[in-house]
Amino acid sequence: AQSVAQPEDQVNVAEGNPLTVKCTYSVSGNPYLFWYVQYPNRGLQFLLKYITGDNLVKGSYGFEAEFNKSQTSFHLKKPSALVSDSALYFCAVSVYNFNKFYFGSGTKLNVKP
Amino acid sequence: DAGVIQSPRHEVTEMGQEVTLRCKPISGHDYLFWYRQTMMRGLELLIYFNNNVPIDDSGMPEDRFSAKMPNASFSTLKIQPSEPRDSAVYFCASSFGRSTGELFFGEGSRLTVL
Repeated sequence: AQSVAQPEDQVNVAEGNPLTVKCTYSVSGNPYLFWYVQYPNRGLQFLLKYITGDNLVKGSYGFEAEFNKSQTSFHLKKPSALVSDSALYFCAVSVYNFNKFYFGSGTKLNVKP
Repeated sequence: DAGVIQSPRHEVTEMGQEVTLRCKPISGHDYLFWYRQTMMRGLELLIYFNNNVPIDDSGMPEDRFSAKMPNASFSTLKIQPSEPRDSAVYFCASSFGRSTGELFFGEGSRLTVL
């Protein structure tokens, strides 16, 4: 069975500090990994994806994520957090065909001034 | 492009009433997904369509739920009769199958069943 785990319900970080939001996955086959962000009362917005190639992928708003096959992880990172980054972040995985996505439970990121 | 358009944004209804949620996907997208989001269960896939044909409805919770896609630009999710436990935010998303997977979500329909 395919699954995604986001072990932290909430991450708190001070503005200007680096942030990490964790994601691990379990799939049979090659994973295609995604990060989405959800602001209050809005739909999810795509941030970045790993399909193949370079393990470090860069996305919108200065976010990046590193695919680690041995640790089955795809952690989201940003070198310097902004208060406006405060939102709910979802990790998702798809296998084979991009038609079925498995979402994590979400991590609430709080960036304090 | 206007993005994925959902209506209504908010719906408050009484138990037993029929609820119809609507979605207009992005033009040219050939996949359409219906998700439900709750605090308890997170984001759940209910059903998805490819070229207007339902492919996987294994996430539809029970027979009270039904979804249709009569054409490439319109889909509905219907709940009849509605129950308080159906209260959630329902999202529609679309994608272009030949791309590498990015989903485009609508703003959601917040359903409250009293």
